[in-house]
Amino acid sequence: EAGVTQSPRYAVLQEGQAVSFWCDPISGHDTLYWYQQPRDQGPQLLVYFRDEAVIDNSQLPSDRFSAVRPKGTNSTLKIQSAKQGDTATYLCASSHRVGTEVFFGKGTRLTVV
Amino acid sequence: SQWGEENLQALSIQEGEDVTMNCSYKTYTTVVQWYRQKSGKGPAQLILIRSNEREKRSGRLRATLDTSSQSSSLSITGTLATDTAVYFCATPLNTGNYKYVFGAGTRLKVIA
Repeated sequence: EAGVTQSPRYAVLQEGQAVSFWCDPISGHDTLYWYQQPRDQGPQLLVYFRDEAVIDNSQLPSDRFSAVRPKGTNSTLKIQSAKQGDTATYLCASSHRVGTEVFFGKGTRLTVV
Repeated sequence: SQWGEENLQALSIQEGEDVTMNCSYKTYTTVVQWYRQKSGKGPAQLILIRSNEREKRSGRLRATLDTSSQSSSLSITGTLATDTAVYFCATPLNTGNYKYVFGAGTRLKVIA
């Protein structure tokens, strides 16, 4: 089966620019996660969905970050006005249901200069 | 933070050696996941161990969980160059919560 697909793989922005990341989870997986992974650190959960509903977005900087999953399949994570501190790899992951094995995509490496 | 180790640890060993990586966590948990992340890839789950298991094996991998000392370990026997990766442990933020918190990880380099 196809894995979790993310695009783009890389992005380089000036501070203040906007960017969107796209994720296609494994077919049939109802739970989708977005993680931020700074260099040399572990992934940090930003938000996760069950179907189209946001279950937890407490770690998502709501003033600049937004995430949607309108049909309970693909998802988009958007940064409205990027800052240098947003430089990181953004990972999307999915699971059949919460608590089961989580499968990660390859991530999008974002550099904000 | 959930974890005792805040900084990425680094290990370099020769192929064929055995290695053990440790994690200690600050809050009580009954389940720990171990992940491996190779360069340019997302993390891949290796082992999920629960407190009632104490030890779990998968091929050359062995994970332990000691809730009394709030620590977990992952051992690899007969390492291969292809085991070169960063290894993370992760545990739920709260009991029954599926919001997993990852440790800083161990960067393992296996030299052929």
